[in-house]
Amino acid sequence: EAGVTQFPSHSVIEKGQTVTLRCDPISGHDNLYWYRRVMGKEIKFLLHFVKESKQDESGMPNNRFLAERTGGTYSTLKVQPAELEDSGVYFCASSSGYRGQFFGPGTRLTVL
Amino acid sequence: AQSVTQPDIHITVSEGASLELRCNYSYGATPYLFWYVQSPGQGLQLLLKYFSGDTLVQGIKGFEAEFKRSQSSFNLRKPSVHWSDAAEYFCAVGLTSGTYKYIFGTGTRLKVLA
Repeated sequence: EAGVTQFPSHSVIEKGQTVTLRCDPISGHDNLYWYRRVMGKEIKFLLHFVKESKQDESGMPNNRFLAERTGGTYSTLKVQPAELEDSGVYFCASSSGYRGQFFGPGTRLTVL
Repeated sequence: AQSVTQPDIHITVSEGASLELRCNYSYGATPYLFWYVQSPGQGLQLLLKYFSGDTLVQGIKGFEAEFKRSQSSFNLRKPSVHWSDAAEYFCAVGLTSGTYKYIFGTGTRLKVLA
């Protein structure tokens, strides 16, 4: 069984540009989460999908971040325009219930 | 508000020595508790989890953790550390309602001396 995959693994962009991160959850997992770790800080929750619906987006930093989940399968997280403080590692996780989330390898985003 | 504290940012131990990583949490109910490990270049791997029942939980790679309600703690232990255990360890509280999202600690980076 394939795990959670994320693409790209690294992204380096200039301030003001747009970046789109992708997450493919484990097949059959209805729950999909996005988290972010800014350097040296804790991993923080961004948002939660149940199938294609946003269940909780209380952790989204501002309206420059847009997350979608097409047909309840993969998800994208777009940052537009990117700012320096958006740099960090973005993790995606999925679960079939509440008994443990499976995390992807993360996307390291660097905004110059 | 919910929070997780990992008081040790860095820990260095010798190979073969015992290990204890501390985790304290603040949550209004009995939480779901997790320990994850992130090795260099890898994602977060689940080591063990606690939902209810026996407060001593066994995980993968020889790790165990004990839930102590009175101390709001969930410390991770290993009796004998291997060089391959060098990694960053994260304690997390899983909310028990709503979105079941996680609240993470800041992580503890473990260095193992040969």
